[in-house]
Amino acid sequence: QSVLTQPPSVSAAPGQKVTISCSGSRSNIGNNYVCWYQQSPGTAPKLLIYDNNKRPAGIPDRFSGSKSGTSASLGITGLQTGDEADYYCGTWDTSLSAYVFGTGTKVTVL
Amino acid sequence: EVQLVQSGTEVKKPGESLKISCEGSGYDFSKYWVAWVRQMPGKGLELMGIIYPGDSDTKYSPSFQGQVTISSDKSISTAYLLWNSLKASDTAMYYCARHSDSLYPPNYFNFWGQGTLVTVSS
Repeated sequence: QSVLTQPPSVSAAPGQKVTISCSGSRSNIGNNYVCWYQQSPGTAPKLLIYDNNKRPAGIPDRFSGSKSGTSASLGITGLQTGDEADYYCGTWDTSLSAYVFGTGTKVTVL
Repeated sequence: EVQLVQSGTEVKKPGESLKISCEGSGYDFSKYWVAWVRQMPGKGLELMGIIYPGDSDTKYSPSFQGQVTISSDKSISTAYLLWNSLKASDTAMYYCARHSDSLYPPNYFNFWGQGTLVTVSS
């Protein structure tokens, strides 16, 4: 059971926006940077967002990250069929002395 | 170009041992932490442990301590994940992932291997 909670699924029509939440605590999100990974079907995870809101080279600005207190969010605008994937937040947990991933959210483009 | 290339699919019986590998290229392998991540069928990501190839400093997540062994050989830029006695519950996809830098604790993993599927069945 992960200490980072995400909604199991979100969906929207092409071109619309979705927001994925990641809820944690002071020992993880509250005191550490958050990142986000995208895992398309049958592939390895890919880094989307790091240090709460930074994008690696090659990641379009349709993807954005934010953090407030003990929660973080990933936003995807201009939704495309290629965005259908599982999305995971990740951060260090100081109390567990372990790197933790969120429970994962499946994005469906209607 | 940074690449992590993992060894191929494995089918083993309960009680057997197994060692899978992850070879890095395109960067100084000894200077970046490398993690192993488990993904059980239909489930999420779990970080098992992480190793710094430069000095073989290894940290295990509490759930995996004593269950597996992580090692590396910097001379051939390769990290390993070893089981002494596999169980059916070890059936999963295993990914290696390179940390962003040499610092600890880990922050984010910006390069991933393609995954090694391990099936344990009698």
